[in-house]
Amino acid sequence: AQSVAQPEDQVNVAEGNPLTVKCTYSVSGNPYLFWYVQYPNRGLQFLLKYITGDNLVKGSYGFEAEFNKSQTSFHLKKPSALVSDSALYFCAVRDMGGGADGLTFGKGTHLIIQP
Amino acid sequence: EAQVTQNPRYLITVTGKKLTVTCSQNMNHEYMSWYRQDPGLGLRQIYYSMNVEVTDKGDVPEGYKVSRKEKRNFPLILESPSPNQTSLYFCASSLMSGQGDGYTFGSGTRLTVV
Repeated sequence: AQSVAQPEDQVNVAEGNPLTVKCTYSVSGNPYLFWYVQYPNRGLQFLLKYITGDNLVKGSYGFEAEFNKSQTSFHLKKPSALVSDSALYFCAVRDMGGGADGLTFGKGTHLIIQP
Repeated sequence: EAQVTQNPRYLITVTGKKLTVTCSQNMNHEYMSWYRQDPGLGLRQIYYSMNVEVTDKGDVPEGYKVSRKEKRNFPLILESPSPNQTSLYFCASSLMSGQGDGYTFGSGTRLTVV
């Protein structure tokens, strides 16, 4: 079975400071990992994904994430936060050998950027 | 524009009155899925479909039905809705299951069952 944990319900960051949203995962094989963002009254939007290769993945809106296999983590980062980054962020995982299994999502982390 | 279209966006209904939420994608994706989103629980998969006439249960299928008669459409059916099905529902599609493709999500359907 595959699972994702986002240990923080909410993360508060001052505008201009770096931000990190944490994600750890569990799969039996190798993972595909994803980050999505949800703005109020909107669907989820794809930010970035890790499939294979370089552990540092760059995505939309200046976000990046680092895959760490030994720590089974895929934390989302941004060097300088913007107020417009305030949203709900979801980490998701799919086991590469999982057949028809879809994405399993974490519970989400509210990111609040304070002016 | 490549997209997943859900209808309706908002729906208030009464207990026991059958309803259907439609989902259509224009990307020729094989894989489609329904999720419900509840506060503190994240997104949980209801049903998925790997291709036409192939559907299977996700993590929370009780009280729901789906069909996949055409590749582009994947309606979610609530035969006898109950208040515990009040939720925000998302349809999603992907090029292939088991691959490294992410999902494209619809805009969501907020369902209230009274």
